[in-house]
Parts: sequence; C-alpha cells; structure tokens
Amino acid sequence: GAVVSQHPSRVICKSGTSVKIECRSLDFQATTMFWYRQFPKQSLMLMATSNEGSKATYEQGVEKDKFLINHASLTLSTLTVTSAHPEDSSFYICSAPTQTGSETQYFGPGTRLLVL
Amino acid sequence: GENVEQHPSTLSVQEGDSAVIKCTYSDSASNYFPWYKQELGKGPQLIIDIRSNVGEKKDQRIAVTLNKTAKHFSLHITETQPEDSAVYFCAAYQDSGYALNFGKGTSLLVTP
Repeated sequence: GAVVSQHPSRVICKSGTSVKIECRSLDFQATTMFWYRQFPKQSLMLMATSNEGSKATYEQGVEKDKFLINHASLTLSTLTVTSAHPEDSSFYICSAPTQTGSETQYFGPGTRLLVL
Repeated sequence: GENVEQHPSTLSVQEGDSAVIKCTYSDSASNYFPWYKQELGKGPQLIIDIRSNVGEKKDQRIAVTLNKTAKHFSLHITETQPEDSAVYFCAAYQDSGYALNFGKGTSLLVTP
C-alpha cells in the first residue's frame, strides 16, 4: 500500500512549549490529509482535515488556535501543538487518501507526545 | 453524523480457531467500510475493505461481509495465528471531506 510517514515518532516536551509533527506522503500526492488523536485503549478521534493550499477544517471541540495545521505542499502536512499541557499527551496519527476523492486511506506510524 | 458500533471489545481465541468482529453503522448513505489492524505503538494498517456494491470480499484468511439492509458488516479471520493479536478497528466512510468514522476497536488475543 501507499506509504505515509510521520516525524518524530515520539517527543517529550515541557509544559508550555510547542511541538511540531510532520506527516508526509512518500509515494503519492495528497491534497487532503487527516489528523487523529488516540488516547490509550481508545479509538481514533478525528481532529481536523488538512487541505493543501487552504485552511484546515476542525472538528467540534478542537481548538484551531491550539492545534495549528499547515498543508503547504501536496506531500506534507504539519500539526503544531502550541503551549502544550499534560492533557495534550496522546498518540497523534495522520492519514491520507491515495487519490483525491478516494475513500481508501493509509495511516502514518503515529507520534507519541508526552508533555511533562 | 455517522455512528459506528463495534463488538466485542475484547476477543480471545485459541490458535487455529476463527474470530469474528461485528460492526453496525447508522448512516444509510455510507458506502465504504474498511478494517484496520493496529499493533501496540503503531499506526493502523488497512487489512481489507468493502464497498457497498458487494456483499463479501475475501483475502486469504481474512474476509469481510456486508449487509446494507441491516447496516452491519463483519470481519472474519480464519485459522488465527498469534501474530493476528492486535486491536482491530472497523470504520465507515463519512462523505463530508472523506474522513472515516471508527468503531471503538476490538482487542483480539490469539493464544498458542
């Protein structure tokens, strides 16, 4: 299947700092990418839809000023957790459909964020 | 929005037995149903998917069935192996923005 990468795989930061997570589609172009958050032993919860060249669409309850999304190219979307707090500690996963309008999505390996 | 229910939440089978995981969805307009396998600390991996124009799809030991009338679909794993142990998620396609709605997951344990 298509390959989606994420960087970093894990990050530990101090409370109040910002953390940037990258999501890349390695062998295809993605005009849309999705960002999910997963807490331990829970399902994936959609945070936002990242759109290349336009603003991201956030799900209800997700603060757009706290979770900044930039989709500057057809292969890269970034999620920045600003002023991180311990409750932001989670597993962040991105996904991308292999073709515009396709339902088939491939997920990245995830980024484990721990905020101290 | 779409609501996906998944059962059971945990499933333990002996190696060689079959495992069945069931999901129901609420939005009759949903037309794409993927299944993902997630191992500890990793991202979900697409293992099989089905679209609404077919009732069953099989790939070696894995099969998925879909009943659109009843709005439920199931994952069947035959001849289970210890490496099948993982959390399995079903999902339904949400047509606004192509995001997926996930079930809560099933933790499958295959014991030797």
